[in-house]
Amino acid sequence: NAGVTQTPKFRVLKTGQSMTLLCAQDMNHEYMYWYRQDPGMGLRLIHYSVGEGTTAKGEVPDGYNVSRLKKQNFLLGLESAAPSQTSVYFCASRYSGGPQETQYFGPGTRLLVL
Amino acid sequence: QKEVEQDPGPLSVPEGAIVSLNCTYSNSAFQYFMWYRQYSRKGPELLMYTYSSGNKEDGRFTAQVDKSSKYISLFIRDSQPSDSATYLCAMKGTNAGKSTFGDGTTLTVKP
Repeated sequence: NAGVTQTPKFRVLKTGQSMTLLCAQDMNHEYMYWYRQDPGMGLRLIHYSVGEGTTAKGEVPDGYNVSRLKKQNFLLGLESAAPSQTSVYFCASRYSGGPQETQYFGPGTRLLVL
Repeated sequence: QKEVEQDPGPLSVPEGAIVSLNCTYSNSAFQYFMWYRQYSRKGPELLMYTYSSGNKEDGRFTAQVDKSSKYISLFIRDSQPSDSATYLCAMKGTNAGKSTFGDGTTLTVKP
């Protein structure tokens, strides 16, 4: 049981390049999330999904796209990277039912845009 | 104004001290209150979880929720160097698909 995994762990991009971050979970969770974390700014929600084939915008969605074609995977895309997207990106997932509202986080992807 | 405001820190205490970490919020619909702990260069992990008002204790940790004041706290007794981390409060409404996080408080416990 690997929990939530993220690929890649670290990436350097040049301005204007594109890339896709992959999040995978093996806990059969319905909900999945993408956050970015910048110094002193906590976790800001980019996009999230409440089930396979669904996505919704979070707090800071501009410049990002997502897809949830399979329940266990949630992809975050940057079409044209900008230096302002330099950040640490965290994926999380959680079960939708019952009293437990725990989000399980991945180890993060560090992205540097030059 | 943010929905969730967290005491910014950083906080530095000697080993064995009692630590109080605090958040205030403005959304009265919040019913679930969480504290996550994040070690350096790691993802956050759930530390404490409380539904509605009241206290919850787990070892050296106590989570307190006062819905009338829209104020939550996390107390750490007999703090240890291993408690050094960033603590994030989070909260959500009953049917909300997403949580709202505070900005985090970085705690250092010195031996």
